[in-house]
Amino acid sequence: GAGVSQSPRYKVAKRGQDVALRCDPISGHVSLFWYQQALGQGPEFLTYFQNEAQLDKSGLPSDRFFAERPEGSVSTLKIQRTQQEDSAVYLCASSLIWVGPRGTGELFFGEGSRLTVL
Amino acid sequence: GQQLNQSPQSMFIQEGEDVSMNCTSSSIFNTWLWYKQDPGEGPVLLIALYKAGELTSNGRLTAQFGITRKDSFLNISASIPSDVGIYFCAGQMGAGGTSYGKLTFGQGTILTVHP
Repeated sequence: GAGVSQSPRYKVAKRGQDVALRCDPISGHVSLFWYQQALGQGPEFLTYFQNEAQLDKSGLPSDRFFAERPEGSVSTLKIQRTQQEDSAVYLCASSLIWVGPRGTGELFFGEGSRLTVL
Repeated sequence: GQQLNQSPQSMFIQEGEDVSMNCTSSSIFNTWLWYKQDPGEGPVLLIALYKAGELTSNGRLTAQFGITRKDSFLNISASIPSDVGIYFCAGQMGAGGTSYGKLTFGQGTILTVHP
């Protein structure tokens, strides 16, 4: 498709289970981002990739969260030993790389993966 | 984590009315953005502002980048039912070639438009 694709759209996990969330960015977009959106809140930055390099993972809330993008395209966000506080929508976004004075290029967000931890 | 202070939290208006919402921060941002999110969807960019004092329009939407770089507002004129949704402001601290999409979002303004 033409947009950012995320799967699964919905995931229910029992506390303590591991989950993996997948993101297919727009073809040709070298920058990829993961955001976490709790209910009733704005998205919060988790991590950023430029191609396969993870350049910023400062937003990952704990070492239970791990993201990878081994071939510079598809990315996976993995959450180990899920906790109830991990329940949220996980948004993936991609953008073309840019340089210059205009700052951020447009981020294109996927529909998100809604994780519910029971 | 840090979020911008966005107000109002919700608005209930009649079709045809104008809407105004704003966003403030204790930190300086070099880029301000406004997004709209529909239920079950990801945020979609409405307007981007890159320069302090900049006033930018996109159809019925007008947004301004505050002079202090710590605030922004969004106006929607002559609202229509499809304007319903959640509006988010977002700021980016970086600028130039070192910047990327690490955005700080507000808590959102829920807009309801009665026909």
